[in-house]
Amino acid sequence: GQSLEQPSEVTAVEGAIVQINCTYQTSGFYGLSWYQQHDGGAPTFLSYNALDGLEETGRFSSFLSRSDSYGYLLLQELQMKDSASYFCAVRDKTGFQKLVFGTGTRLLVSP
Amino acid sequence: DAMVIQNPRYQVTQFGKPVTLSCSQTLNHNVMYWYQQKSSQAPKLLFHYYDKDFNNEADTPDNFQSRRPNTSFCFLDIRSPGLGDAAMYLCATSRDTAGEGYEQYFGPGTRLTVT
Repeated sequence: GQSLEQPSEVTAVEGAIVQINCTYQTSGFYGLSWYQQHDGGAPTFLSYNALDGLEETGRFSSFLSRSDSYGYLLLQELQMKDSASYFCAVRDKTGFQKLVFGTGTRLLVSP
Repeated sequence: DAMVIQNPRYQVTQFGKPVTLSCSQTLNHNVMYWYQQKSSQAPKLLFHYYDKDFNNEADTPDNFQSRRPNTSFCFLDIRSPGLGDAAMYLCATSRDTAGEGYEQYFGPGTRLTVT
């Protein structure tokens, strides 16, 4: 089975940089994704790491190390609108395209 | 814009009274999913369709059923809602190709209240 652990809450101030970690125990997966979800809203896709290393998309970057069973989402130049929940997720090899979500991290950005 | 639409956005039902939630998509994606999300928790997959093939998660209660009459529409039926079924229900879609299938597109969700 799959198990992905994240810190429950992270706080930061506007303009800062924050890293949200995701550690996992899996029996195999295709890649690591990150989703953002604002309160009352739908999860929206942020990034995907199929291979080890860093993927950069604007202010957001995501990293994967399969040897360390670890990934992270890096948010730079934080803005108030970045306050949301962030979920890592893996595409399970044992289930076709099934996404298994991490426990989720609530990010609170203050002025 | 291509999108995933869910109706209604808010649904109130009585304990034990059947309820149906609907989802439609204009993305022409092969795969459609239903998730249940409770407060401060991650989305939990209930089942998914790959084209017309239905795939139920092992721990999804029998109380939850689904129908996909065509590519665009998918329904979630809760036969006898209990208080524990109050949650946000999310519909999502994805392509089936290995290279592009990693991204799921979520609808805005239906918040179900059971009284």
